[in-house]
Amino acid sequence: ILNVEQSPQSLHVQEGDSTNFTCSFPSSNFYALHWYRWETAKSPEALFVMTLNGDEKKKGRISATLNTKEGYSYLYIKGSQPEDSATYLCAFSKDTGRRALTFGSGTRLQVQP
Amino acid sequence: DGGITQSPKYLFRKEGQNVTLSCEQNLNHDAMYWYRQDPGQGLRLIYYSQIVNDFQKGDIAEGYSVSREKKESFPLTVTSAQKNPTAFYLCASIASGGAESYNEQFFGPGTRLTVL
Repeated sequence: ILNVEQSPQSLHVQEGDSTNFTCSFPSSNFYALHWYRWETAKSPEALFVMTLNGDEKKKGRISATLNTKEGYSYLYIKGSQPEDSATYLCAFSKDTGRRALTFGSGTRLQVQP
Repeated sequence: DGGITQSPKYLFRKEGQNVTLSCEQNLNHDAMYWYRQDPGQGLRLIYYSQIVNDFQKGDIAEGYSVSREKKESFPLTVTSAQKNPTAFYLCASIASGGAESYNEQFFGPGTRLTVL
C-alpha cells in the first residue's frame, strides 16, 4: 500500500485569510494527482486532476501546484470564505490497470466568519 | 441528472449479521469502486470492478463481498467475518474511455454503517 501524507490534519482560519495545504506522495510510477473537496453530508467533489510535473491549476480562489519529481502538491486558498469549510482530500494514482486512487487522510479546514 | 446513489444513508447491524449496501450509477461508467473511511484515516479501497461480471479485491477486502451483474449496480455485502465493520462506506465510479479522464472518480453520498 502506498502512503499519501497530508498536512496539516486540521486548520482553523479567519475569513479573508489565505491558506495552503500539503500533499506528499510516492513519486515512482506516477500517473495523476487529484484534489477533492468533501463537505459534510455531501459527496466528495473533484477540484483538480494534475498529471505533469510543474502543473498549476486554478479554480476561482483555489489553486494547486504539482512536483512529481519530489512527490508533493500544494493546494492554496486565497481569501478564505466560510463556504470553503470542508475536508480537502489528496489522492494519487499509479500508472497501472487498477485505476484506483490512494487517498490521504485529508486536511479539515474551518473558516470562521 | 446523472450521478451515483447509495442506500441506505444510515444502517445499523447486529453482530453476526450480513448486510448489503447498495450503489447505483447512471453515468454509464464501466469501473466502480468501494472505499471505507475510518476516523483519522484516508479512504481505503475494498473492492473494485472494471467491467460487468468481473471484480477484484482491493487493499482491505477481507470480510466483504461484491457482485457486478449489471453495469449500473455494484452492491457491497459486509459479512459477519468482517471484524470491525463500523465505518463510513463510499462508492465511486470512473468515466469510461480514454486516458484523458486520468482516473477522476465520481462519488456517491455514502452509507454510515454501525454495528450494535
